Amino acid sequence: AQKITQTQPGMFVQEKEAVTLDCTYDTSDPSYGLFWYKQPSSGEMIFLIYQGSYDQQNATEGRYSLNFQKARKSANLVISASQLGDSAMYFCAMREGLRRDDKIIFGKGTRLHILP
Amino acid sequence: NAGVTQTPKFQVLKTGQSMTLQCAQDMNHEYMSWYRQDPGMGLRLIHYSVGAGITDQGEVPNGYNVSRSTTEDFPLRLLSAAPSQTSVYFCASIGPGREGSPSYEQYFGPGTRLTVT
Repeated sequence: AQKITQTQPGMFVQEKEAVTLDCTYDTSDPSYGLFWYKQPSSGEMIFLIYQGSYDQQNATEGRYSLNFQKARKSANLVISASQLGDSAMYFCAMREGLRRDDKIIFGKGTRLHILP
Repeated sequence: NAGVTQTPKFQVLKTGQSMTLQCAQDMNHEYMSWYRQDPGMGLRLIHYSVGAGITDQGEVPNGYNVSRSTTEDFPLRLLSAAPSQTSVYFCASIGPGREGSPSYEQYFGPGTRLTVT
């Protein structure tokens, strides 16, 4: 079974609109961390935001916020006021356990296209 | 700090050839890993290491070898390249996060695009 599921292979959004990228995860470990990464066409992986399983509040980082719904095992990325530069591939990832050497597993990604 | 560096950026191999993808980090991170990225598959873990002298297999280890003789370097070896190994390869390390990020964060190299014909 997939540990990380991103159900939207591609999305098209008008510039300045808000975007929600879906991510659901599967784990029985009470301790875990959830990550979002951006991969622009240049290919590098850029860390965006992190949510720990014990964090009480949803993580925010500038225009990025993580809508963490623990009971539903959902960790959606919300981008407010989208910009053309947000066009990229976005990956959700999970680390089961919170030790440094716990492996990080990635979803298959969502390709976001921002339309002018 | 240079962060995580990878060489080469691009490589074309013929089936059956061998080569080593180089990865180095100057952040004194103990944990390093190799991923491959294929269209529609996300990133899949090949091998990882939790310190010098210690390596372990990830999801897709077949056809690849690794070693970790120093903290800084984590090379990935293809002993006999196959067309199925055509992919983009990322090396990453895990270490203390930057301000505002989690206790540990994963740092990625720029990637190596490998084509096997």
